[in-house]
Amino acid sequence: EVQMVQSGAEVKKPGATVKISCRVSGYTFIYYNLHWVQQVPGKGLEWMGLVDPEDGETKYAEKLQGRVTMTADTSMGIGYMELRSLRPEDTAVYYCATARIAAAGVSAFDLWGQGTMVIVSS
Amino acid sequence: DIQMTQSPSSVSASVGDRVTITCRASQDISNWLAWYQQKPGKAPHFLIYSASTLQSGVPSRISGSGSGTDFTLTISSLQPEDVATYYCQQAYSFPLTFGGGTKVEIK
Repeated sequence: EVQMVQSGAEVKKPGATVKISCRVSGYTFIYYNLHWVQQVPGKGLEWMGLVDPEDGETKYAEKLQGRVTMTADTSMGIGYMELRSLRPEDTAVYYCATARIAAAGVSAFDLWGQGTMVIVSS
Repeated sequence: DIQMTQSPSSVSASVGDRVTITCRASQDISNWLAWYQQKPGKAPHFLIYSASTLQSGVPSRISGSGSGTDFTLTISSLQPEDVATYYCQQAYSFPLTFGGGTKVEIK
C-alpha cells in the first residue's frame, strides 16, 4: 500500500525544538521530493519546504530559513522535519506530502501523511 | 511570491445544486493549478491537477477549468459527502502557495 505515516503529536515549550518523521512505503522514496505543509488550527495550508531524498538538497520557505531543517534517511525511507526556536504561533498540524505526477507542474501533492499536531505552550 | 485568492470563503447549497468556486492567481500560471478537498480532521485529498485533469477515483461531478490567472472548481450536483473545505494551489513556481480555502456546506 502506498502511504506516508507520520510520528505522533508533540507538546513543546517555547524555545524548544521538534522533529517530526514521515515514513513512506509503496513507492521508491528517492524518486520524489518530500514536502512539508503547515496548517494552523482553523486556517489554511502553507508550504514549508522540501527535501530531495536522492541528494539531500533542500528548498525552504523564506519565513522559515534558519529555523527549519528537512532531511531524509534513504535506508529507512523516512523523512524528517526539524523546527527550532518554537513559538506559540508554530502550533499547527504539520503534513508531509509528495508530488509524483510529472504532468502536474512543479509540485502538486497526490499523497499526504495523516498529519502531526504540534502544540507550543508554556 | 504568487498570491492565490479564492472566493467565496464559504458557500451553502442544497443537495443537487451546482457549486462553483473560483481561484485567482496574482500572475499568469498557465494551467499549473491543483485543487484539494479537506474534511475536518483529515489530510487534504488531491482532486485535480493541471487545472482540469481529474485525479483517478475523483467523481465526475467534480470538474476544473481555467488558465492564466482565473480558475474554477465546479461540483455539478452537490452531494452530502462533498461537505469539506476546498483549496487551490499553484504548481507553477516556488514557493508553492495555496488559496485561503472555500468551505462548502449543505443548506
